[in-house]
Amino acid sequence: NAGVTQTPKFQVLKTGQSMTLQCAQDMNHEYMSWYRQDPGMGLRLIHYSVGAGITDQGEVPNGYNVSRSTTEDFPLRLLSAAPSQTSVYFCASSPGTGPHNEQFFGPGTRLTVL
Amino acid sequence: AQTVTQSQPEMSVQEAETVTLSCTYDTSESDYYLFWYKQPPSRQMILVIRQEAYKQQNATENRFSVNFQKAAKSFSLKISDSQLGDAAMYFCAYSWGTSYGKLTFGQGTILTVHP
Repeated sequence: NAGVTQTPKFQVLKTGQSMTLQCAQDMNHEYMSWYRQDPGMGLRLIHYSVGAGITDQGEVPNGYNVSRSTTEDFPLRLLSAAPSQTSVYFCASSPGTGPHNEQFFGPGTRLTVL
Repeated sequence: AQTVTQSQPEMSVQEAETVTLSCTYDTSESDYYLFWYKQPPSRQMILVIRQEAYKQQNATENRFSVNFQKAAKSFSLKISDSQLGDAAMYFCAYSWGTSYGKLTFGQGTILTVHP
């Protein structure tokens, strides 16, 4: 199993550009989520999905869109990048939505918006 | 609102010594879990240990153990016999019964291990 994979690993954008961060998992996990990591703030939840076709907002959803057309994939779209979106982005998955479940994280994407 | 606070931005320890990382949380929930995640320089997030709120016994995983003080809402991580490979950022995290899998993270503590 590859686990949770993310592409790209690094990306530089100009303000106003759009892009999609890809996330895929091969563990047949129902639950997937996106977090951003900023210095001194830990990880904050952007969007999450409890199954194919179901998504919801997390703590910091503004400027980001998601969709979940398959169990395996959960892309994160930046519609018009802003410098405030410079961050490290992590995708995670878990077998279910219970609080006991371990979250499995991808390797992260470092995004810089100029 | 549920919050998690790690008041130690940085900690250091000598190899083979013991170090304790602090975490406090605020919640009105009764059904919840607490976690410690490790993030080495590779950036990969790794689960170190988890604790169920209903269990009074502190969780232990090899050299890692927790001191769970439910009334004080404190959840510290003790690393015994520290090794160079323990150097990383450590995050305390919280998930509750109706959170649908969402994790709330603390700010993180950078642990340096000196040879």
